[in-house]
Amino acid sequence: DGGITQSPKYLFRKEGQNVTLSCEQNLNHDAMYWYRQDPGQGLRLIYYSQIVNDFQKGDIAEGYSVSREKKESFPLTVTSAQKNPTAFYLCASSIDIRTRPEAFFGQGTRLTVV
Amino acid sequence: LAKTTQPISMDSYEGQEVNITCSHNNIATNDYITWYQQFPSQGPRFIIQGYKTKVTNEVASLFIPADRKSSTLSLPRVSLSDTAVYYCLVVDDKIIFGKGTRLHILP
Repeated sequence: DGGITQSPKYLFRKEGQNVTLSCEQNLNHDAMYWYRQDPGQGLRLIYYSQIVNDFQKGDIAEGYSVSREKKESFPLTVTSAQKNPTAFYLCASSIDIRTRPEAFFGQGTRLTVV
Repeated sequence: LAKTTQPISMDSYEGQEVNITCSHNNIATNDYITWYQQFPSQGPRFIIQGYKTKVTNEVASLFIPADRKSSTLSLPRVSLSDTAVYYCLVVDDKIIFGKGTRLHILP
């Protein structure tokens, strides 16, 4: 089945530790995105990548890092510099942002930092 | 920042048609208008997209006037399972979500 997979679904980490969230897609999509969602709020864009080996900061990139070494993979690292990392993280992909902007989302990773 | 404004919440009854209007006064010539639906603890699901006039699919219709400064998502004959948050987006080179409209369908 084609789709976008995030793992793990739930993640617990101690404060001060870096943690990496996985996002893989087999849809052959060029563009990939990471969002953060806090309770009762909308999605906020962290980073996005329109092509392999290239990515741009979104609205709330501070304390996060990404890489895009392969078309299928766009991992997100939540660093210790992120002041309030507990949130629901969503990854998405789209074919081509200009001509086919619809995005497909993973099921999300709920990160809790204690 | 999001380039759209939509109502924070709406209530409707089962079987009714629901229209959610979104304003996007600063939309650019090449921007698409897209709508997503999100249930709690799930990723958003794409509903419909359009550039101008009217678009219809098996789920909804999207009405876009000639000036493209607003758009209306129309959900025909809603059911309880349509209770969700609906997001209107204007897509340029990235996908930015606003706060969405929390739609509550009553029996």
